[in-house]
Amino acid sequence: QKEVEQDPGPLSVPEGAIVSLNCTYSNSAFQYFMWYRQYSRKGPELLMYTYSSGNKEDGRFTAQVDKSSKYISLFIRDSQPSDSATYLCAMSSGGVWGSGGYQKVTFGTGTKLQVIP
Amino acid sequence: GAGVSQSPSNKVTEKGKDVELRCDPISGHTALYWYRQRLGQGLEFLIYFQGNSAPDKSGLPSDRFSAERTGESVSTLTIQRTQQEDSAVYLCASSLGQGGGYEQYFGPGTRLTVT
Repeated sequence: QKEVEQDPGPLSVPEGAIVSLNCTYSNSAFQYFMWYRQYSRKGPELLMYTYSSGNKEDGRFTAQVDKSSKYISLFIRDSQPSDSATYLCAMSSGGVWGSGGYQKVTFGTGTKLQVIP
Repeated sequence: GAGVSQSPSNKVTEKGKDVELRCDPISGHTALYWYRQRLGQGLEFLIYFQGNSAPDKSGLPSDRFSAERTGESVSTLTIQRTQQEDSAVYLCASSLGQGGGYEQYFGPGTRLTVT
């Protein structure tokens, strides 16, 4: 079993739809949860990160973490064609975000999203 | 400002040849990571450099893989006697590292094809 499981998709939605992307994980030591967006033939870029359980909102994006279920989600409201990309979840157990220490990050396989105009 | 750059962007090589991939991190970033991304797979950690500390090589898949970094600047990933299963996109990332933020900034990757 992989440490992080993510449905590869592809997921195709009409413009304006609410998108839900999810990952499950098995390592209970994970404390830091991240979502990266990767456009075709580009490197991933960090969208959001959260620490421990709870929700975090940034514009049209909301990240949710449920540590009891080992399940994380990314919601995209009012999806736009420019949101079409692969979304990778990522997790880490070590270090403290923004301070010293080494964060080794485990990535999901990514979900390919297509938003159709 | 300049982001992480990688060269070459594409590399086609014959099985058994050696290849060298280059990464130029963001200036001032002390941490540097190499990942491998196979088609339909997640990012696979290969190696991590932090300043002048000994690198974490725990992700290197075999002794055919090696990497070096000169101080806090350029890094090269070398794959000797390439095999077809080495075909993948090799991504480099850098971050401020110890004492700074941990957001990893990725380069565009080198797409390696072994024929």
